Amino acid sequence: EDQVTQSPEALRLQEGESSSLNCSYTVSGLRGLFWYRQDPGKGPEFLFTLYSAGEEKEKERLKATLTKKESFLHITAPKPEDSATYLCAVRVGGSNYKLTFGKGTLLTVNP
Amino acid sequence: EAGVAQSPRYKIIEKRQSVAFWCNPISGHATLYWYQQILGQGPKLLIQFQNNGVVDDSQLPKDRFSAERLKGVDSTLKIQPAKLEDSAVYLCASSFSRLAQDEQYFGPGTRLTVT
Repeated sequence: EDQVTQSPEALRLQEGESSSLNCSYTVSGLRGLFWYRQDPGKGPEFLFTLYSAGEEKEKERLKATLTKKESFLHITAPKPEDSATYLCAVRVGGSNYKLTFGKGTLLTVNP
Repeated sequence: EAGVAQSPRYKIIEKRQSVAFWCNPISGHATLYWYQQILGQGPKLLIQFQNNGVVDDSQLPKDRFSAERLKGVDSTLKIQPAKLEDSAVYLCASSFSRLAQDEQYFGPGTRLTVT
């Protein structure tokens, strides 16, 4: 069974304090690893898709990387508006390419 | 471009009652998904439609949950009868197709509380 584990469950940072979120996965036939951001009371918002080990993508203060077993979401000099739950999901091959999500990491950035 | 629309945003019902949720996907998106997100967990796929046909409903509790997507556009998800453990946020998402490279766009969700 496909498994996605995110750590830590919660992370508190001071504004400007860089850190990383981890997403480890056990799947067969990975067809993409997705990062989403979810604000309270809202649906997940797409951030990145990574397809192969060694791939990196950046967006403002966020950088996502992928290895054969895990992905990291690096947050550089975070601001309070980066506070949210960050969800990782994997898509495997098959007839429907469905997403399997992790439980998420709740990030709080204090001013 | 208008996003995925869902209604109602909130619903409180008693156990054993029935409830229905509505979703209008992004125009032109052939694939529609319903997810259940229990507090503190990631979304779990309940059912996936390609146009008006079901692609995957393996995690849908079919004894109480049903969903339809008539005419391949709007969709409704129904729970009858509801149980306490059905309390969750029900998210609708859509994508252009079900190919691996297509990202899914999520609606704001319906928060269901079963008392």
